[in-house]
Amino acid sequence: GQSLEQPSEVTAVEGAIVQINCTYQTSGFYGLSWYQQHDGGAPTFLSYNALDGLEETGRFSSFLSRSDSYGYLLLQELQMKDSASYFCALNTGFQKLVFGTGTRLLVSP
Amino acid sequence: EAQVTQNPRYLITVTGKKLTVTCSQNMNHEYMSWYRQDPGLGLRQIYYSMNVEVTDKGDVPEGYKVSRKEKRNFPLILESPSPNQTSLYFCASRGQGEETQYFGPGTRLLVL
Repeated sequence: GQSLEQPSEVTAVEGAIVQINCTYQTSGFYGLSWYQQHDGGAPTFLSYNALDGLEETGRFSSFLSRSDSYGYLLLQELQMKDSASYFCALNTGFQKLVFGTGTRLLVSP
Repeated sequence: EAQVTQNPRYLITVTGKKLTVTCSQNMNHEYMSWYRQDPGLGLRQIYYSMNVEVTDKGDVPEGYKVSRKEKRNFPLILESPSPNQTSLYFCASRGQGEETQYFGPGTRLLVL
């Protein structure tokens, strides 16, 4: 099967940069996705890495290293509204997604 | 507006009383999924569908059924709900060749 590990909680201050790590175990996958979920809300798609390297989307970047079974989400210029839970997810085939348990990010003034 | 809708948003029921949670998307997406979310466990996939009449089990399918008779709809059926199915349920859809998965607003279910 597949498993993904993320830190349960990360704290940071406004304007800072924070990195949320995701390590995984799998026999094969197509790519690694990242989702954001605010309390009481639905997950929203942030980023996807099919290949090794960095993908940048505005203040958010995501990185994948298949050889290290590791990825991360980088959030820059943190804002209060970035306080949310962040999930990494393995795309293991077509619509088959396996999610990590999530990282709660707390941004303070 | 592109969206995934779920109904009902909240439901309280009793053990053994069959229920259906509807899911509909207006984006003509091929792929649809159901997830449950429980504290500390993240999102776990229940069932997914790759197109009309094509469905497959996810990681936690026991106690659930699905059907995909039309492309836009993907209902989740609990034939005989039990308290351990108390959870927050999300439906999601994705277009073929796309990576963005769109989630519905969620259905909070309490089984007494």
